[in-house]
Amino acid sequence: NAGVTQTPKFQVLKTGQSMTLQCAQDMNHEYMSWYRQDPGMGLRLIHYSVGAGITDQGEVPNGYNVSRSTTEDFPLRLLSAAPSQTSVYFCASRGSRNQPQHFGDGTRLSIL
Amino acid sequence: AQSVTQPDIHITVSEGASLELRCNYSYGATPYLFWYVQSPGQGLQLLLKYFSGDTLVQGIKGFEAEFKRSQSSFNLRKPSVHWSDAAEYFCAVGAGDYKLSFGAGTTVTVRA
Repeated sequence: NAGVTQTPKFQVLKTGQSMTLQCAQDMNHEYMSWYRQDPGMGLRLIHYSVGAGITDQGEVPNGYNVSRSTTEDFPLRLLSAAPSQTSVYFCASRGSRNQPQHFGDGTRLSIL
Repeated sequence: AQSVTQPDIHITVSEGASLELRCNYSYGATPYLFWYVQSPGQGLQLLLKYFSGDTLVQGIKGFEAEFKRSQSSFNLRKPSVHWSDAAEYFCAVGAGDYKLSFGAGTTVTVRA
């Protein structure tokens, strides 16, 4: 009964470093997405995928890359970390359009 | 594109009192509507959802919400608040695609 699993839970980076946030789901959901959560701004969509091999940009995609080689995994890559990317990142998955999203527990990322 | 407004940033309510959180959405057709709750340091948990049918929706933890098409609203209510209801609440709207738009959130403080 794992649901959506995100790793790591916490990370501190230096400006300019790169890293990958991992997201895996075991519910065979086609739709997966990445959000960032900042105080007073709710959740903003970074990238999403409607199936393996298909990804698209959300509301705030700059500075992030994604890929979807399998149904289960949807990693988010920060190419060159910037302090503005300090945030809490959530991965979510959804089985169909009329189903709610299942969220992971989040990754708290600080860029120094 | 759809959008969501949560007019109240912060609400303080006494334990045992009633609670109502406002949510207004913008979308041309009938949307999919959700309320999520987030406790400090945690991920998002689904409280309830509306897709179609009965406009009064029951959720978990004693919450309910009413969809009012004429007012483009989906307000969340609870008759008697418990201290454990202190959290941040997010309204979200989905359209015909897979994407969700979230409101900025309402933080609820419960006083003894």
